Amino acid sequence: GAGVSQSPSNKVTEKGKDVELRCDPISGHTALYWYRQSLGQGLEFLIYFQGNSAPDKSGLPSDRFSAERTGGSVSTLTIQRTQQEDSAVYLCASSFPTSGGETQYFGPGTRLLVL
Amino acid sequence: AQSVAQPEDQVNVAEGNPLTVKCTYSVSGNPYLFWYVQYPNRGLQFLLKYITGDNLVKGSYGFEAEFNKSQTSFHLKKPSALVSDSALYFCAVRAPSGGSYIPTFGRGTSLIVHP
Repeated sequence: GAGVSQSPSNKVTEKGKDVELRCDPISGHTALYWYRQSLGQGLEFLIYFQGNSAPDKSGLPSDRFSAERTGGSVSTLTIQRTQQEDSAVYLCASSFPTSGGETQYFGPGTRLLVL
Repeated sequence: AQSVAQPEDQVNVAEGNPLTVKCTYSVSGNPYLFWYVQYPNRGLQFLLKYITGDNLVKGSYGFEAEFNKSQTSFHLKKPSALVSDSALYFCAVRAPSGGSYIPTFGRGTSLIVHP
């Protein structure tokens, strides 16, 4: 079946502009995660959605970052007034939570470059 | 708080030789441990996980990992490396049931297999 998809695959923007990144999780997966991957920094957790529960926003680096998930499926990560330090690969993952340690399925990522 | 350490930024090994990618963790209680692999310009792919039971876990592509509770380690191993194994490897830990569903990832280890 289809995996996690993300769009766009690449995004180049100017400093100060807003950007929206989209994630389509695997159908039926109730959990959705956003991560940021910077060179040499590993994966930085941003935000977590689980079903209809309030999202865990504890990883968002500033109030310029926000995310929503509509209908428990598609998610959009928005970065307002982009800065050069926002340049990174943004990864989305989905999973179906179990009591035994669910596997995350990752999308290919969106590579963001802020000029 | 939970954390993961991957002490080596890069591991070099000759094709046909055994490989080890190291991972140590810190978490309260019995951990859920994961290994993921990332090929260039791709998202992360699940390799294997430890939840409970046998300390030796076998996964995809001939990889295995051994959970060592006393040393709080979960090293990834393969008896005979292939050039195609060259990629970025991430270890992740999650608190057991009842804790956060958000895993913490290490910084990643670049594995380079030389022909």
